[in-house]
Amino acid sequence: DVKVTQSSRYLVKRTGEKVFLECVQDMDHENMFWYRQDPGLGLRLIYFSYDVKMKEKGDIPEGYSVSREKKERFSLILESASTNQTSMYLCASSFRGGGTEAFFGQGTRLTVV
Amino acid sequence: AQSVAQPEDQVNVAEGNPLTVKCTYSVSGNPYLFWYVQYPNRGLQFLLKYITGDNLVKGSYGFEAEFNKSQTSFHLKKPSALVSDSALYFCAVSPRGSASKIIFGSGTRLSIRP
Repeated sequence: DVKVTQSSRYLVKRTGEKVFLECVQDMDHENMFWYRQDPGLGLRLIYFSYDVKMKEKGDIPEGYSVSREKKERFSLILESASTNQTSMYLCASSFRGGGTEAFFGQGTRLTVV
Repeated sequence: AQSVAQPEDQVNVAEGNPLTVKCTYSVSGNPYLFWYVQYPNRGLQFLLKYITGDNLVKGSYGFEAEFNKSQTSFHLKKPSALVSDSALYFCAVSPRGSASKIIFGSGTRLSIRP
């Protein structure tokens, strides 16, 4: 089975802290994604990466950055956490090419206080 | 702008009755279409997808979806609902030639009463 593993299920951080969310996949997928999930808003794409060191902004990249130094790992960075970044963060991966479904991790519930 | 609309926040159905969860999209060209399900405290799971061909697509757990190009819709259906189908359902689209970017709808909570 495909496994997408997010490093933490729950995180509590203080305003202004630099926060790292880690995601690892074991299926040699080219694509990796970071979404945030908020009630009533569904999943909104923050960033995605289609290859090592390659990234594209999604719909809501402000306040976030990403890093992909190895194919299996995709990190989301909150440069200076703010309370409006309190959310559920979901990582996903997929093969490159049209119509391939994404596989999701369990999610990280981040609370910024 | 590319978007996916799920017009119902919640759908309530009695067990054994048919169910429909609606989805429409606004994406140019012929996008790929997906349905995902999220059970409580779990990540999203893939249910089914439309690539090309037959407009009726069958997926996991007895679900199917009907693609209608003229109405740009991709409604999720099941002939007979189970209480265990209660979950949050997301419609998603992936524009062709977009490096596999996937755009999600806002989600519909499906509640099946015994």
